[in-house]
Amino acid sequence: DIQMTQSPSTLSASVGDRVTITCRASQSISSWLAWYQQKPGKAPKLLIYKASSLESGVPSRFSGSGSGTEFTLTISSLQPDDFATYYCQQYNSYPWAFGQGTKVEIK
Amino acid sequence: QVQLVESGGGLVKPGGSLRLSCAASGFTFSDYYMSWIRQAPGKGLEWVSYISSSGSTIYYADSVKGRFTISRDNAKNSLYLQMNSLRAEDTAVYYCARVRLERRGYFDYWGQGTLVTVSS
Repeated sequence: DIQMTQSPSTLSASVGDRVTITCRASQSISSWLAWYQQKPGKAPKLLIYKASSLESGVPSRFSGSGSGTEFTLTISSLQPDDFATYYCQQYNSYPWAFGQGTKVEIK
Repeated sequence: QVQLVESGGGLVKPGGSLRLSCAASGFTFSDYYMSWIRQAPGKGLEWVSYISSSGSTIYYADSVKGRFTISRDNAKNSLYLQMNSLRAEDTAVYYCARVRLERRGYFDYWGQGTLVTVSS
């Protein structure tokens, strides 16, 4: 099974900061990676698919990159609405696997 | 607009059973693969089960294989999860999610979730 590892687990940042979250796969998943945002008490929301494709309606300050085993989610200028937990997910092979999450907190 | 509404969660004793439902609207349900994903309190996301549009292809996580059964009724636009032999570690919010089929598929719409608590 493919394992997904995110870093850091928690990130403290200020409004306007550039934020980068890393996700590593235990084996190559090509570009079959999605990113989700989850706020407390809410369902996850799809942000990015196929490593770098922005989901419709998602602000352009979110971007994704990477392929193979290393991927990044970048928020170019952190906004108050972006304080949340972010998860990566591989969909190269069964079983589907999520990273453990990265919580973005207010500094 | 796409809506997924889960129901059927609640408190159940260890060893008990529960059936979750997910009512879909706003899209052609029979065209889409669907999945269940859960989240234990304060923890991350765990994929549970997946079913193809016709119901002919089904996958389960090892943690629930042999105890949970996924099914769907395309005439009723509904997805189900029958959960038997429940354990304390099955306590979680259970989400149904629509699968956008590219490679193995990712989850483009999620319901609000239903809480399952397994406790004596």
